[in-house]
Amino acid sequence: DAGVTQSPTHLIKTRGQQVTLRCSPKSGHDTVSWYQQALGQGPQFIFQYYEEEERQRGNFPDRFSGHQFPNYSSELNVNALLLGDSALYLCASSFGLAGTYEQFFGPGTRLTVL
Amino acid sequence: AQRVTQPEKLLSVFKGAPVELKCNYSYSGSPELFWYVQYSRQRLQLLLRHISRESIKGFTADLNKGETSFHLKKPFAQEEDSAMYYCALRGNFNKFYFGSGTKLNVKP
Repeated sequence: DAGVTQSPTHLIKTRGQQVTLRCSPKSGHDTVSWYQQALGQGPQFIFQYYEEEERQRGNFPDRFSGHQFPNYSSELNVNALLLGDSALYLCASSFGLAGTYEQFFGPGTRLTVL
Repeated sequence: AQRVTQPEKLLSVFKGAPVELKCNYSYSGSPELFWYVQYSRQRLQLLLRHISRESIKGFTADLNKGETSFHLKKPFAQEEDSAMYYCALRGNFNKFYFGSGTKLNVKP
């Protein structure tokens, strides 16, 4: 099991563009959470998907949206990119919503907005 | 509001010295606290969670609700402990809140 995988590894976009990041959860996991980690900061919770629905959301604008597919993989979409969106985007997967089980993190996608 | 504070960005100690990484939190309910670690060129991984009451790699952390703290301790630091450490809180509805992290540097 490769664990949580994310693609692409790096991405460079310009202001105003749109971006899609992808995440495949660890085998057996059905819940995916996305985090934004700015340089020198800890991860900030964006949202969580379970059963193909957004279940929880952090303090992020509607420009940030997501999707979860029947195979539990997930996408993070960011529209109208701003310079401040430059960050490492982390995906984490776990089993269920109760929080009983550990969440496992992917390696992240480094997004640079110019 | 939920918040996790790690007051030290960098902590340098010599091998064999005791280590304490500080974490304070703000939360109105009954929190669940975690420590995550990120070694160089590796992904973020769980180190320990307070409900487990375990000692992992010699590290322990006790939840002090009176002081709203969850400090991470190890009596004798090893060079392989050098890493970024993040304190995290799981609040209502399974939302996670992370601190800004402390870089631990264990010198030989």
